[in-house]
Amino acid sequence: AAGVIQSPRHLIKEKRETATLKCYPIPRHDTVYWYQQGPGQDPQFLISFYEKMQSDKGSIPDRFSAQQFSDYHSELNMSSLELGDSALYFCASSVGGRSSYNSPLHFGNGTRLTVT
Amino acid sequence: AQSVAQPEDQVNVAEGNPLTVKCTYSVSGNPYLFWYVQYPNRGLQFLLKYITGDNLVKGSYGFEAEFNKSQTSFHLKKPSALVSDSALYFCAVRPPNYGGSQGNLIFGKGTKLSVKP
Repeated sequence: AAGVIQSPRHLIKEKRETATLKCYPIPRHDTVYWYQQGPGQDPQFLISFYEKMQSDKGSIPDRFSAQQFSDYHSELNMSSLELGDSALYFCASSVGGRSSYNSPLHFGNGTRLTVT
Repeated sequence: AQSVAQPEDQVNVAEGNPLTVKCTYSVSGNPYLFWYVQYPNRGLQFLLKYITGDNLVKGSYGFEAEFNKSQTSFHLKKPSALVSDSALYFCAVRPPNYGGSQGNLIFGKGTKLSVKP
């Protein structure tokens, strides 16, 4: 079965550089979530999109932005990178809407971002 | 504030023995509860969920979880542990959301399960 695809798997950037992470949800999934997981930490919710509109906002820094495109893929744009941004960034997808609160999230394998 | 607590950072179990990974939650209303497992350098994999109905929920790989409303707990269990069950386990809650979109998951800190031969 098709899964959530994230690219790249690994990314190394220097401080103050920018990075773009991509996420391709499972076909027919219309909701995308972004999570950040620091070393030894639980995943922290950043932002989500439902039908190409932002649906929820978590602890996403102002330096980050994201969007969902017409084909439902999503991109997380990160600017002015800081050492503390080094983490595993997960994208998850699900079917959205009112009747889907019990739908589990399907996670990609993540992008490991290292800021030096 | 909505929260999830996993009181144990690590659980050690001998192969073949039963295992329990504890989770308690604090959320207003009736929550939706989930367990996910994470293997090294991998994304989280869904194990099971509780929405309503029977308090004992069965999930993937022989895992089950028991919902206890009075104790606000949702402990993960397995009758006989395997070495391959060794991984990081996250309990998560999705608070009821009566808006137009579904809410995000709130995760516990995770419990590392180590199953020894």
